[in-house]
Amino acid sequence: AQKVTQAQTEISVVEKEDVTLDCVYETRDTTYYLFWYKQPPSGELVFLIRRNSFDEQNEISGRYSWNFQKSTSSFNFTITASQVVDSAVYFCALHGDFGNEKLTFGTGTRLTIIP
Amino acid sequence: DGGITQSPKYLFRKEGQNVTLSCEQNLNHDAMYWYRQDPGQGLRLIYYSQIVNDFQKGDIAEGYSVSREKKESFPLTVTSAQKNPTAFYLCASSRQLLPGNTIYFGEGSWLTVV
Repeated sequence: AQKVTQAQTEISVVEKEDVTLDCVYETRDTTYYLFWYKQPPSGELVFLIRRNSFDEQNEISGRYSWNFQKSTSSFNFTITASQVVDSAVYFCALHGDFGNEKLTFGTGTRLTIIP
Repeated sequence: DGGITQSPKYLFRKEGQNVTLSCEQNLNHDAMYWYRQDPGQGLRLIYYSQIVNDFQKGDIAEGYSVSREKKESFPLTVTSAQKNPTAFYLCASSRQLLPGNTIYFGEGSWLTVV
């Protein structure tokens, strides 16, 4: 069975601070895919990144960066110099190999950026 | 613009009534999905469809029904058998039902039972 754990239910930081959202996953598949989605107050889930299990390179996109570590089964997400527009619920999700294609979500982390 | 359109955004239902949520996509995706989101929880899969005229139950299919008569459309009916239907419903699609395909979401529909 697959499982995604986002232990941080809610985080609040002051604008311009850096913040890291944690994601720990469990899967028996050798090949798998990890995702992060952002859900702003409007409700739509916005795709942020996909990472496959064979690519452990960290990724940076503007103020966003992702740290994938297979040794600890973690796929953490860092926002640098946070802005009020970053306030949202962030979901980490896992997609397994054939037979496990359904996307398994964590329970999400609500991030509030205080101006 | 390409995307996934859900309607209505807000819907109120009386107990005992069936309601249908619409989902249309113009991304030319083969696979479509319905998820349910409850406050403070992650998303749970209701139904999914790999291709036209085919669909499979997800983790919480009881009390729901779907159809897939056209590639671009995947309506969800919440029946009176669904014990606790008040929730946020999200439709999604992906190019195919294959490992690694990114799933894209619509804006969601709020359903409230009154």
